Amino acid sequence: KQEVTQIPAALSVPEGENLVLNCSFTDSAIYNLQWFRQDPGKGLTSLLLIQSSQREQTSGRLNASLDKSSGRSTLYIAASQPGDSATYLCAVTTSGTYKYIFGTGTRLKVLA
Amino acid sequence: DTGVSQDPRHKITKRGQNVTFRCDPISEHNRLYWYRQTLGQGPEFLTYFQNEAQLEKSRLLSDRFSAERPKGSFSTLEIQRTEQGDSAMYLCASSQPRVPSTDTQYFGPGTRLTVL
Repeated sequence: KQEVTQIPAALSVPEGENLVLNCSFTDSAIYNLQWFRQDPGKGLTSLLLIQSSQREQTSGRLNASLDKSSGRSTLYIAASQPGDSATYLCAVTTSGTYKYIFGTGTRLKVLA
Repeated sequence: DTGVSQDPRHKITKRGQNVTFRCDPISEHNRLYWYRQTLGQGPEFLTYFQNEAQLEKSRLLSDRFSAERPKGSFSTLEIQRTEQGDSAMYLCASSQPRVPSTDTQYFGPGTRLTVL
């Protein structure tokens, strides 16, 4: 059974810092891994999708890496801004199914 | 392309009442998913449709829950005899996968259910 864990559960940093969010999963037979952002009381916004054959994806100040064999992914946020404050969720799609299995998220607060 | 929409956005009901939520996916998407999210947790999968066929259901979906997608377009999720434990955000997503590794699900704003 696929399980997804995110560490840390919460993070508070001053504006301008670079930071790393971690995601681990137990079953390496995945189609892809996706990082989402969720603002309080809102739906999910897709940030980056990494296919199982890829090692990383970049979008602006965000960089996500995937090490499938060790069951780990990281989301790197460069030069953090107060507008980055949100909950960040990772989700994997395990081979043979199309549903997402989500982690519990990391609540990020960037202080001005 | 107006994105995934959900209605209502908020629902407050009394224990024992029935509620129904609607999801309108992105128009050309043939897959539609329902998830449930409780406070401080990540979303949990409930069920998904490919066109009008319901292909997978979670064990979380008790007999009180039923989902339909009658014409392969919008979907409804009904909860009968609501319980306080049903209080959660119900999220809908849709996708149009070509290959599994590139399948991206697009989420709606959710329906927040509060059962008193």
